[in-house]
Amino acid sequence: NSKVIQTPRYLVKGQGQKAKMRCIPEKGHPVVFWYQQNKNNEFKFLINFQNQEVLQQIDMTEKRFSAECPSNSPCSLEIQSSEAGDSALYLCASGGQANTEVFFGKGTRLTVV
Amino acid sequence: GDQVEQSPSALSLHEGTGSALRCNFTTTMRAVQWFQQNSRGSLINLFYLASGTKENGRLKSTFNSKESYSTLHIRDAQLEDSGTYFCAAIASSSFSKLVFGQGTSLSVVP
Repeated sequence: NSKVIQTPRYLVKGQGQKAKMRCIPEKGHPVVFWYQQNKNNEFKFLINFQNQEVLQQIDMTEKRFSAECPSNSPCSLEIQSSEAGDSALYLCASGGQANTEVFFGKGTRLTVV
Repeated sequence: GDQVEQSPSALSLHEGTGSALRCNFTTTMRAVQWFQQNSRGSLINLFYLASGTKENGRLKSTFNSKESYSTLHIRDAQLEDSGTYFCAAIASSSFSKLVFGQGTSLSVVP
């Protein structure tokens, strides 16, 4: 039921390498979210955008990640220097105006070796 | 911070039976979503509620903002219902950010 497209589905990186993942939100959805789901099924909010502007982000994202949602291009989330603890499922979601239903992509599973 | 407490953490049902999952909220939430996550990690939307009750097939969900809880009822469980179920709520002050529960791992057995 979701039209959010995430690429790649799987990503393997060495420690210290950059890891970049992309997300195409559902057409017409101005709000985009990134979440990290760890092996214990815990979700961590990373950042959200409304159109091209950052609404909120956590400290980790601000310090270690680079994220953007340019107009007419996929959104992206890039870890600048991968660590073993970054191994997780990264989920992108999009939604209409604030506080409406959100839809998730299939995720990018990152393994840092 | 905003907390969502989901129970039970695991549930085993025989085909044809039913049960309920519950999420309690520690703060006022303006809406809740329920998802099923399959074995490949995909999150499937089940319900979005800003209030009241919705029903879809064998599933029914209720959100009571004043009493700070939401429930998901499954009846006549089928094998394909197996998976992990999450509630996720939007707090009043959160720029639409979803706060997830811990998940319920549902196993439906013959």
